[in-house]
Amino acid sequence: DAKTTQPNSMESNEEEPVHLPCNHSTISGTDYIHWYRQLPSQGPEYVIHGLTSNVNNRMASLAIAEDRKSSTLILHRATLRDAAVYYCILRDVGGSNYKLTFGKGTLLTVNP
Amino acid sequence: EAQVTQNPRYLITVTGKKLTVTCSQNMNHEYMSWYRQDPGLGLRQIYYSMNVEVTDKGDVPEGYKVSRKEKRNFPLILESPSPNQTSLYFCASSPSDRASTEAFFGQGTRLTVV
Repeated sequence: DAKTTQPNSMESNEEEPVHLPCNHSTISGTDYIHWYRQLPSQGPEYVIHGLTSNVNNRMASLAIAEDRKSSTLILHRATLRDAAVYYCILRDVGGSNYKLTFGKGTLLTVNP
Repeated sequence: EAQVTQNPRYLITVTGKKLTVTCSQNMNHEYMSWYRQDPGLGLRQIYYSMNVEVTDKGDVPEGYKVSRKEKRNFPLILESPSPNQTSLYFCASSPSDRASTEAFFGQGTRLTVV
């Protein structure tokens, strides 16, 4: 599976935008970019995914670089409830799609 | 409400005493998985199931069994638990195996084996 690299931790202030980066320089043309988050004492939660184009949903936006070697998860207005570990995951159309391979993720701290 | 439900949420048991952690989903999903989460090791897949009566090993299946007799249920069985199985366990389900599909996770079961 192609690998992703994320910063270990990031900090933001409440009600400010947060940009969480992910590098995936070995991404293949058929890899989907998924983001999950894990709030304290909870199971992972799907956030968003995309293939080539930028994506928006009610939780966040996903900006994908033109060469697809990196992507950014954007939380438009961070709240205290957004404090979590954020995981960037690649899922290959041709690979084992039954498994999600979680790395260490980025621990996001949101200051009031 | 669409959800994956695990029980129990917390369990302390002794070495060798058989236990079952239940997982149930109400979304009619075909695919279900079990993961364990350990500090420094992240989430690792234990077993997965593609449909009723179809299961296969994940990355760390030793010491675990699963069954899928009904579509909605996917219990994790520890026949003879050992302390190295002390961990946080998550069940997940998804509607298909397509790479564009999201997975839904349960709230987790924290197991301690003494």
